[in-house]
Amino acid sequence: QVQLQESGPGLVKPSETLSLTCTVSGDSISSYYWSWIRQPPGKGLEWIGNIYHSGSTNYNPSLKSRITISVDTSKNQFSLKLSSVTAADTAVYYCARRTGGNHDYWGQGTLVTVSS
Amino acid sequence: QPVLTQSSSASASLGSSVKLTCTLSSGHSSYIIAWHQQQPGKAPRYLMKLEDRGSYNKGSGVPDRFSGSSSGADRYLTISNLQSEDEADYYCETWDSNTQVFGGGTKLTVL
Repeated sequence: QVQLQESGPGLVKPSETLSLTCTVSGDSISSYYWSWIRQPPGKGLEWIGNIYHSGSTNYNPSLKSRITISVDTSKNQFSLKLSSVTAADTAVYYCARRTGGNHDYWGQGTLVTVSS
Repeated sequence: QPVLTQSSSASASLGSSVKLTCTLSSGHSSYIIAWHQQQPGKAPRYLMKLEDRGSYNKGSGVPDRFSGSSSGADRYLTISNLQSEDEADYYCETWDSNTQVFGGGTKLTVL
C-alpha cells in the first residue's frame, strides 16, 4: 500500500521560505510524477507543481517564481520550497502521487500557517 | 489550459441517488478527468478516472455505489444508495501536458 507523509514546520513567518518534505513508502519514487497540492482553509484544491525522479519539474504558472520542488531518490522523498510567503499561503499542503495523468494516492496533509 | 466547472452544492436523501456534474471548458470536451472525495477534515481520496466515452476505472476499495458517465463536455459522478459517510466535497481533476487542474468542488449534503 502506497503511503505519503508530509513533514515540516507548521508556522512560517511572512517573507520567509516554507519548506516541506514528503516521504513515500510502499512504492519507489523512481516511478511516476509526485505532486504538491494545497488547500486554503474553507477553499478548494490548488495544484502547486510536480516532479519526476529524474528531476524534471512542472510548476503552476501563478506560483512558478516562488517554487522549488526537488527529489531525493536515496531517501524516497521529495520536497517543496515556497519563498516570500504571505498570509495567502496559509493552507493545508498535500503531497500526492500522479499516475497516468491524475493523482491516485494522497498524503494526510499538513497545515502551514503564515503569521508573525 | 482546460477549466473545470462544478456546482457549489448538492443535496439528496439517505438511500437515494445523486448525480454530480463536472463540465469541461470549450475545446476540451474529449479530456479524461478524475473524481476525488474529501470527507470533512480528511485528505482527498481518489475515486475514479473517467473517459469521454463514459468508461471508468475506480480506485482500490471504492464501493460499487459509485459510478461514472459522460456526455459531451460533461462528466458525471453518480452515487447510489446514499450513505451518511458520502457527505463530503467532491472534486474533479484534469490535466494538460504540464498542468493539473481542479474544479471548484461540490459540497454534497445527505439529508
